[in-house]
Amino acid sequence: DTEVTQTPKHLVMGMTNKKSLKCEQHMGHRAMYWYKQKAKKPPELMFVYSYEKLSINESVPSRFSPECPNSSLLNLHLHALQPEDSALYLCASSQVAGNTGELFFGEGSRLTVL
Amino acid sequence: AQKVTQAQTEISVVEKEDVTLDCVYETRDTTYYLFWYKQPPSGELVFLIRRNSFDEQNEISGRYSWNFQKSTSSFNFTITASQVVDSAVYFCALSVYTDKLIFGTGTRLQVFP
Repeated sequence: DTEVTQTPKHLVMGMTNKKSLKCEQHMGHRAMYWYKQKAKKPPELMFVYSYEKLSINESVPSRFSPECPNSSLLNLHLHALQPEDSALYLCASSQVAGNTGELFFGEGSRLTVL
Repeated sequence: AQKVTQAQTEISVVEKEDVTLDCVYETRDTTYYLFWYKQPPSGELVFLIRRNSFDEQNEISGRYSWNFQKSTSSFNFTITASQVVDSAVYFCALSVYTDKLIFGTGTRLQVFP
């Protein structure tokens, strides 16, 4: 079982809805990540939080709003999404930010925007 | 600019066959890290290996082995005696002193009984 838990596993929303994706880890990791993965494509980095502060935003549209309430939790707030935002959203964590450690991924939240 | 190429889109083998997944990378940096991740149908990416650019030693872990050759900018992955449970998408990735992993397009491996 993965040690990074994501909820919900599946989400269907309309373009006017507001919803949130949640991610939780209890490994004491201080870096957390959001990736987006379209079908049959590799994951693409969206955001990185290091010690609960946003350290990287890969020019993600503002309709995606990340939040890191504490070192164990990471949220992704969704508002006014487009159908092309339908994808698998993967959360990951690592001991610290940087490329020295492995990333632990959750199973993802599969989002469908109607 | 950095780039990772996995030329094999899909590979199908029969159980117990050996299979090699190719990975070619491009970077002008002398210090970098290379990774392999496995993505089973359940969706999560599972870390398999990390190798830094100064360590060209090949590595073996059970049925898995990795061949890193800087001369050809390749970091190939071999599964010996493949099993049905090895069926997944395998991603090679590159990182150059950032939090950003640059993934290849992935190779889908199907192992048939």
